[in-house]
Amino acid sequence: GAGVSQTPSNKVTEKGKYVELRCDPISGHTALYWYRQSLGQGPEFLIYFQGTGAADDSGLPNDRFFAVRPEGSVSTLKIQRTERGDSAVYLCASSLRDRVFSGANVLTFGAGSRLTVL
Amino acid sequence: AQTVTQSQPEMSVQEAETVTLSCTYDTSESDYYLFWYKQPPSRQMILVIRQEAYKQQNATENRFSVNFQKAAKSFSLKISDSQLGDAAMYFCAYRTGTGANSKLTFGKGITLSVRP
Repeated sequence: GAGVSQTPSNKVTEKGKYVELRCDPISGHTALYWYRQSLGQGPEFLIYFQGTGAADDSGLPNDRFFAVRPEGSVSTLKIQRTERGDSAVYLCASSLRDRVFSGANVLTFGAGSRLTVL
Repeated sequence: AQTVTQSQPEMSVQEAETVTLSCTYDTSESDYYLFWYKQPPSRQMILVIRQEAYKQQNATENRFSVNFQKAAKSFSLKISDSQLGDAAMYFCAYRTGTGANSKLTFGKGITLSVRP
């Protein structure tokens, strides 16, 4: 598509429930990133995919968080046993694959999914 | 680990005036990239300007320019002729230049308001 698409735009759930957030990157972008943005804060890195594999998952806060990208395009962020502290905006971004030793490629972000855990 | 600091939580500017948003960062690397992103209420992060650390010349994009001081690890954004549409949160971000597709590290952001 023309931009990065994220669904749902807003999700309200109850503590303890399971949630899935979807990201559809720009067509042809092999790199995909998930970030979490708490109220009044900057985005915090969660995980990065290159193709189908997670190249860096060092930002996932605990084992309740998991993300997949089975066909190298759409990605799903999965949160088990949600807690009130998981409430945040979850941002997805994609980019073309960088040349080696270059951070020049720009990330294009989606509008995010706002998760509220009651 | 790299850190990005934006110490001003809020700023205000009169329409048509100039405003400067501050950012400092900490790194031991010599090859990296710096970015300013704008986030309006729609939540979508929009790239404003980018600076490669190896370039001495400050980046400029229309009304937006940066003052990159590598030795001081400072990267401020100047907005000239401010417009009402510039009102948003602005985030400074750092990205290592070594290794493909490394992550962005963001500051906490600054809320810019523009007075008509």
